[in-house]
Amino acid sequence: ELKVEQNPLFLSMQEGKNYTIYCNYSTTSDRLYWYRQDPGKSLESLFVLLSNGAVKQEGRLMASLDTKARLSTLHITAAVHDLSATYFCAVDIYSGNTPLVFGKGTRLSVIA
Amino acid sequence: GAGVSQSPSNKVTEKGKDVELRCDPISGHTALYWYRQSLGQGLEFLIYFQGNSAPDKSGLPSDRFSAERTGGSVSTLTIQRTQQEDSAVYLCASSFEGYGYTFGSGTRLTVV
Repeated sequence: ELKVEQNPLFLSMQEGKNYTIYCNYSTTSDRLYWYRQDPGKSLESLFVLLSNGAVKQEGRLMASLDTKARLSTLHITAAVHDLSATYFCAVDIYSGNTPLVFGKGTRLSVIA
Repeated sequence: GAGVSQSPSNKVTEKGKDVELRCDPISGHTALYWYRQSLGQGLEFLIYFQGNSAPDKSGLPSDRFSAERTGGSVSTLTIQRTQQEDSAVYLCASSFEGYGYTFGSGTRLTVV
C-alpha cells in the first residue's frame, strides 16, 4: 500500500524567512504533484514533477523530486503572507490516469 | 466546460436521508475521481472511473456509497441513509493521460 508522508504538518513562519516542506512516499513512482488549498476552497495545482531530478519554480516556491530517495521537497523562499495555505503532495504510482494518493497536508501560516 | 463543475456546493441533510452529489468533468477527460476530505484532513480516495472500464470502488467506505458515470461524462455520487460521520467535503477531479488532475470546488455535505 502506497503511503505518502508530509512533514511538518503545521508550519508557522515569519515573513522573509525560508523553509522546506518534505514529502516522502513508500513505493516507486516518477510522478509527484503539489497542490495548494486555501480555506474553504478546492485544490489548485502548483507543480507536476515527472522525472527524477525534476525541479520546477514558480515565484517563491520551488519543488524538486528525487525518485531514488522517494522524496520531494517544496521550498519556500522569503515567505509572504499570501503563501499562507495548506500544501498537499500527491503521488501517482501508475504513471497517469489513476487515483492520486495524498499526504495529510502541511498547514502553513506566514506571520509578520 | 472550462473546469470541473460540482453541484450542489453545499448540502445539509437529515441523518438517514439519501443524497446525490453531481460532478461534471472537463470535456474530453477520460478519468474521473471522487475524493472525500474531512475537516482538517487530507484527501481520501473513494472511487475512480477510467473510460469504459469498470470503476475502481476500492475506496468506498461502506455499501451506502455508490457512484455512476453516464456516457463517460457526468458522474453522480450517492450516499444512502446518511450518517453524521459522512459530513465532509466531497471533491471530484478529472484527468486526461495523467498529465493534469483538475479538481472541482467540492460539495460540502453536512448531516444533522
